[in-house]
Amino acid sequence: KQEVTQIPAALSVPEGENLVLNCSFTDSAIYNLQWFRQDPGKGLTSLLLIQSSQREQTSGRLNASLDKSSGRSTLYIAASQPGDSATYLCAAHDSSYKLIFGSGTRLLVRP
Amino acid sequence: DGGITQSPKYLFRKEGQNVTLSCEQNLNHDAMYWYRQDPGQGLRLIYYSQIVNDFQKGDIAEGYSVSREKKESFPLTVTSAQKNPTAFYLCASSIDTELIKPQHFGDGTRLSIL
Repeated sequence: KQEVTQIPAALSVPEGENLVLNCSFTDSAIYNLQWFRQDPGKGLTSLLLIQSSQREQTSGRLNASLDKSSGRSTLYIAASQPGDSATYLCAAHDSSYKLIFGSGTRLLVRP
Repeated sequence: DGGITQSPKYLFRKEGQNVTLSCEQNLNHDAMYWYRQDPGQGLRLIYYSQIVNDFQKGDIAEGYSVSREKKESFPLTVTSAQKNPTAFYLCASSIDTELIKPQHFGDGTRLSIL
C-alpha cells in the first residue's frame, strides 16, 4: 500500500532564503507526482506535476524533482517571499485512479 | 472563468441529519472526486466518478453517498451513519482519469456538528 510522507511538518525561514521541501513514497511504481499549495481555509492549487518518465519540472521560482528509485521528490523554492507562506502537499498517483497525499509541510516565510 | 464551485462554504449538521454538499464545475471535465481533510493531515478519497451515471468508492466511503446525473455536478451527501463528519471537504476534477493529468480543486466546505 502506497504511503506518502512529508518532512518537515513545519518550516520557518527568513525572506530571501532558498529552501527544499521533501516528499517520500514507499512504492516506486507511481505514474506521476503532484505538488500542491494550500492557503488556510482554502482548496488546493496545483503547482507542478512530474510524470514518471520525467526527472524534474520547473515553474518560475519553483523546481520539483522526482527520483523513483529512491522514492523521493523535492520541491525547491528559490528566493522565498512572505507570499510563499502556505501548506505544501505532495501526492503520488499510483496504478489506481487515486492520489495518495502526504500530510503537508506548513511553510512560514518571515519578512 | 472556468473552475470548481463548492457550496456552502460552512455547513452545520444536527444529530441524525443528512446534509448535502454541492460541487459544480464548468471545466468540461469527465472525472470528479470528493476528498476529506482532517486537521494536520493529508486528503483522503471518499468517492470518485469517471463519467456521468457512474461512480466508485474511495478509501473512506462509509457514511457518504454521491450521485453523478450531470457531467458538471457531483453532490456529496453526508448521512447520519457518518459518526465523525466534522472535517474540511474538497471537491476536485480532472479532464479524465488518465494518470498524467492534474486534478483541480474547489475552495472546500467546512462541516461541523451542532
